Amino acid sequence: DGGITQSPKYLFRKEGQNVTLSCEQNLNHDAMYWYRQDPGQGLRLIYYSQIVNDFQKGDIAEGYSVSREKKESFPLTVTSAQKNPTAFYLCASSTRGSGRAGEQFFGPGTRLTVL
Amino acid sequence: AQSVTQLDSHVSVSEGTPVLLRCNYSSSYSPSLFWYVQHPNKGLQLLLKYTSAATLVKGINGFEAEFKKSETSFHLTKPSAHMSDAAEYFCVVSDEKWDGGATNKLIFGTGTLLAVQP
Repeated sequence: DGGITQSPKYLFRKEGQNVTLSCEQNLNHDAMYWYRQDPGQGLRLIYYSQIVNDFQKGDIAEGYSVSREKKESFPLTVTSAQKNPTAFYLCASSTRGSGRAGEQFFGPGTRLTVL
Repeated sequence: AQSVTQLDSHVSVSEGTPVLLRCNYSSSYSPSLFWYVQHPNKGLQLLLKYTSAATLVKGINGFEAEFKKSETSFHLTKPSAHMSDAAEYFCVVSDEKWDGGATNKLIFGTGTLLAVQP
């Protein structure tokens, strides 16, 4: 089955630790995205990548880092510099076309809790 | 800049009654608009999308939405609610850039939580 997988489903972190969230897709999509979801705030874009070895900051990139070494993988690292990392993190992917934005496909999410 | 406003943070209906979730958008260009649904602790699933074809868009699970340019609205409706419709719904607009590049960035509303009473 084609789709997006995220792991782990739940993640607990102590303050001061870096953690990496995994996102893998087998949809052959060029573009991938990381969002953060907090109650009552919708989804906010952290980073996105339109092609391998290239990525751009989204609206709330501070305290996060990403890499895009393979087309199917887009891991997100939450660093100790992120002041309030407890949230639900969603990964998405889409085709990379010109002109109008298309549908994004979402993974099941990772819930990160800082203890 | 593009934006969306979901006019209700919570909507409660009885099973079998109609559903109306309201969304207004702001866009400098003719936008692409989407409705996504999210069940608790799950990812988002696309319900429907508008991309300048027919103004009445039919989606999955009996949902539909009508694009009204004069009212800058894209309200989501369903004739008869089912218990399984209880979820959070997001209205989304594309972040269009006409500089030759395609970011595919989406801008999300803050969500409407739909409760369905038996």
